[in-house]
Amino acid sequence: NAGVTQTPKFQVLKTGQSMTLQCAQDMNHNSMYWYRQDPGMGLRLIYYSASEGTTDKGEVPNGYNVSRLNKREFSLRLESAAPSQTSVYFCASSEAIQENSYEQYFGPGTRLTVT
Amino acid sequence: EDQVTQSPEALRLQEGESSSLNCSYTVSGLRGLFWYRQDPGKGPEFLFTLYSAGEEKEKERLKATLTKKESFLHITAPKPEDSATYLCAVRGSNDYKLSFGAGTTVTVRA
Repeated sequence: NAGVTQTPKFQVLKTGQSMTLQCAQDMNHNSMYWYRQDPGMGLRLIYYSASEGTTDKGEVPNGYNVSRLNKREFSLRLESAAPSQTSVYFCASSEAIQENSYEQYFGPGTRLTVT
Repeated sequence: EDQVTQSPEALRLQEGESSSLNCSYTVSGLRGLFWYRQDPGKGPEFLFTLYSAGEEKEKERLKATLTKKESFLHITAPKPEDSATYLCAVRGSNDYKLSFGAGTTVTVRA
């Protein structure tokens, strides 16, 4: 099992460019999440998908869009990148958002720099 | 709003020198407190879930405990490979998301 995989690992964008971060999990999990991690601020939820076919905003959704392509895949899109979106992005998955056993399993991250 | 505060921000230990990390939290109806380990350049790795005050869980040199207001991660006789950032997160009863603390970076010197 690969667990949660993310592509690309690194990316440099210029202000105004767009890109899509890809995430896939092979644990048959129902719920998937996108976080960003900034120094001293902890992980902050951008968007989540409780189950296939649904998506909802998290704490910091502005400037991002998501697509739950199928049960395995959840992508994050930056339509017009800004320097404030320079961060490390993590995808995570869990069995089900309703369950008490709610452990989330994280991918290796994408390090994005916007100049 | 759920809040998580971790202390200290950084901890430098000598190999074999036991210590504890603190995670203080405020949450409406705790549905779980989670500990993760994060190595530089990698994603967080799940360690423990605690659900109610008085609960304890152990894994190798790590032991997590929970009270109604805080959790402790005890590191017993640490080794250099225990060097990492340790993250604490909570989930409240009325919420779908995890609220994370900023983490404690532990460095263990041989």
